[in-house]
Amino acid sequence: GAVVSQHPSRVICKSGTSVKIECRSLDFQATTMFWYRQFPKQSLMLMATSNEGSKATYEQGVEKDKFLINHASLTLSTLTVTSAHPEDSSFYICSARDWDTSSYEQYFGPGTRLTVT
Amino acid sequence: GQQLNQSPQSMFIQEGEDVSMNCTSSSIFNTWLWYKQDPGEGPVLLIALYKAGELTSNGRLTAQFGITRKDSFLNISASIPSDVGIYFCAGLRDGGSNYKLTFGKGTLLTVNP
Repeated sequence: GAVVSQHPSRVICKSGTSVKIECRSLDFQATTMFWYRQFPKQSLMLMATSNEGSKATYEQGVEKDKFLINHASLTLSTLTVTSAHPEDSSFYICSARDWDTSSYEQYFGPGTRLTVT
Repeated sequence: GQQLNQSPQSMFIQEGEDVSMNCTSSSIFNTWLWYKQDPGEGPVLLIALYKAGELTSNGRLTAQFGITRKDSFLNISASIPSDVGIYFCAGLRDGGSNYKLTFGKGTLLTVNP
């Protein structure tokens, strides 16, 4: 149980275009999902917390107009990188929390490698 | 944002050896989680700790929640090549509306066969 998927696993896009990344909880309902960014050999940096049916809460320094987050259902959250630039190239990882179990555990997706050329 | 102090940053060991790594903080956490990340993958939850002093095992892995609630350690016994990866600790203060994990910088483990 507690499986989180991400799609796509890898994406290459041209500078100026937008890219959408999907995060799904496959066997549980996730009222809260999280989006992280990870640079090579570094730890995970929380970008935003996404609650189903409401606006995402962004961490300080993260541009909400550039990284659009939508959490329209209990099993799906999307991150759209708008007007992508090469500096947006990174490893993006989503995670989800299973509220039904009342646990504090957070389960991660396999990540999406974004390369902006 | 704030990060936990995780050490060591990296370890190079021989297969069969035991491994120990730890995380410390200047403030209290109410939950500690340990994750392993393989290259190009997302972190996988290894062990969750909920009570100060708690000692929990998962196969060859053992983790403890420090009595002061400001630290936690992870031990791996009889290491094998597939233990290679980055291990992250994560602390949680509030499990409610302010839920947010704080991560350590990771320990890179290399196991020589």
